[in-house]
This record gives sequence, structure tokens and C-alpha cells, in this order.
Amino acid sequence: ETGVTQSPTHLIKTRGQQVTLRCSSQSGHNTVSWYQQALGQGPQFIFQYYREEENGRGNFPPRFSGLQFPNYSSELNVNALELDDSALYLCASSLWAISGETQYFGPGTRLLVL
Amino acid sequence: SQQGEEDPQALSIQEGENATMNCSYKTSINNLQWYRQNSGRGLVHLILIRSNEREKHSGRLRVTLDTSKKSSSLLITASRAADTASYFCATDPRRGSSNTGKLIFGQGTTLQVKP
Repeated sequence: ETGVTQSPTHLIKTRGQQVTLRCSSQSGHNTVSWYQQALGQGPQFIFQYYREEENGRGNFPPRFSGLQFPNYSSELNVNALELDDSALYLCASSLWAISGETQYFGPGTRLLVL
Repeated sequence: SQQGEEDPQALSIQEGENATMNCSYKTSINNLQWYRQNSGRGLVHLILIRSNEREKHSGRLRVTLDTSKKSSSLLITASRAADTASYFCATDPRRGSSNTGKLIFGQGTTLQVKP
């Protein structure tokens, strides 16, 4: 157990809908990163939040957005869902937004878009 | 896009044997990490090796890094059925003065250890 929790564990949506995924970081960690993992692939970096500010973004369109709250928990929002958004969404928390910090992953939210 | 390419994609061995997985990457890195994932669940951090290190050990794990060849290997010795999982390498690319730990993962190696 890493102390990182995600909700919900599973979710089914239809194309065009919007979804919000949630992540509670490990106690004391101020950095949360989000990753998308398609079936059979490695995780791909979506974005990172550090002290409530976006701190870098991967190659994902603007309909992927996020928030980080004062308690450092975080949300990932995806608008106008597409079939290809079906994936496991992982969040990871770390003590600082610096290289070499161990990232602790949550169990993920599996999203299916029909 | 994926930074790392892992080889082999799948590996099946008997309990007690050693398992070796390889990872190649494309750009300069600050460090390289190996993660394990059981059945599409969350990732578990195994080991981190910095760009100025060549070899690192942790229990039954041995990781090597060759920055001149942009490659790394993970060796699991005396494998157990419980080692059955997917293993990913993840690089933390060097981006000038920006070192923020945004990891780039390979596609992974699926390891099956038969009892």
C-alpha cells in the first residue's frame, strides 16, 4: 500500500460525456502526476501539479484538465470523451517536484468509454 | 510517445531461474527507474539508478545502466511465482535546468514465472 488512493475504481461513460477522477496523495506529498495507460502499453504522462499549480504537461489535448487542492489532493477532468480515452488512469504523488523523487502510484481508475 | 523500448515483450521462466529484462531509451536522462505492475493495477517502485551510477542492487534485483548505449537491464535472481507481473522502465529525461520528475515509460515486459 502506497497511501495514494483513487476514486472511483471503475467507470463507464459514453462518447461526448465528461468525467472527473480523483486522487488523494500520500500524506506530506505536495506533487501529483497523472498518467494514462492504454491496454498493453506503458503509462503516458498527462500532467503534473505542484503546490496547486500545473507544473508541466504531456502531449494531451486541452480537454484533459486538472486541479490540485490545498490539501494536495487532485482531480483529472476529461471533457468530450472519445473512445480512445478508454484506459487506466494512474496518479502518483511525490514529496517534491524534483528529479529522483520516488513516485508512489495509486491503484488507478479504469475508464471505459462506449 | 514512449521513450523506452523494452525487450523482450514477454518472458516465461521456471521458478528459481533468473529473469533479465532490457530497456533502451533515446535522450539524456537524470535517472532511470524500474516499476512493477500486477494485473493492470498501480505501479510499485522497485529501484532507481542515477545517470552517474553503473550498477545497483536491491535484494534479488540488480540493475545496470549504460548511458553510452542508452540502455539498462533489470535482473531478477532466483525468481518466484509471485514475481509474475509486468515490469516497466521509466526515464526522467534531462531538460536543461528543469528536473521535475516527469517520467517517460517504456511499453513493458510481461514476466510469467511458472511454479
